[in-house]
Amino acid sequence: DAKTTQPTSMDCAEGRAANLPCNHSTISGNEYVYWYRQIHSQGPQYIIHGLKNNETNEMASLIITEDRKSSTLILPHATLRDTAVYYCIVMLGWNTGTASKLTFGTGTRLQVTL
Amino acid sequence: DTAVSQTPKYLVTQMGNDKSIKCEQNLGHDTMYWYKQDSKKFLKIMFSYNNKELIINETVPNRFSPKSPDKAHLNLHINSLELGDSAVYFCASSPTSGRAVETQYFGPGTRLLVL
Repeated sequence: DAKTTQPTSMDCAEGRAANLPCNHSTISGNEYVYWYRQIHSQGPQYIIHGLKNNETNEMASLIITEDRKSSTLILPHATLRDTAVYYCIVMLGWNTGTASKLTFGTGTRLQVTL
Repeated sequence: DTAVSQTPKYLVTQMGNDKSIKCEQNLGHDTMYWYKQDSKKFLKIMFSYNNKELIINETVPNRFSPKSPDKAHLNLHINSLELGDSAVYFCASSPTSGRAVETQYFGPGTRLLVL
């Protein structure tokens, strides 16, 4: 699975958009980009995933560049409860015949402030 | 309604002891996982079971033995506990519906401290 690079930490004011970048320059054509987050003392929580197109759900938006070498997770209106470590993970899908194995890096620690 | 539950939440024990951590999911998923998060917060997969069959077994000491009595349960037994086993252990599950990608749902974690 391709490796990812994320900033160690970021700050965001409550109510503003939080834009979390991720570089995955060695991503292969059949690898997906996943985002999970881990709020303090809790288990990781799935946020969103994508392959090529931009994606949006009730939690966030995922913008993937055309060359797929980087992506940005957008939390449109960050709240204090969004303070967490955010992990960008690149992984093959099930249809490649491999098991679903999430490899977590160090992630980005997002601090949302008043 | 807890989707993925783990017991116990906290476990403090002495070196050399044998202990078990239990995991149950009520989501009807076919695949379950064990992850370990060490003191530096690195989260690594240990095992994965699909329909009670072991499909992922990372480089984990033989002292760790997962057991899946049925699809809804995946327990982790640890023999001869060592100081380095102190960590937070997370259980997770995911469906195997044939789609390309599946979301994993994590439990709240079991905090193991070996003294």
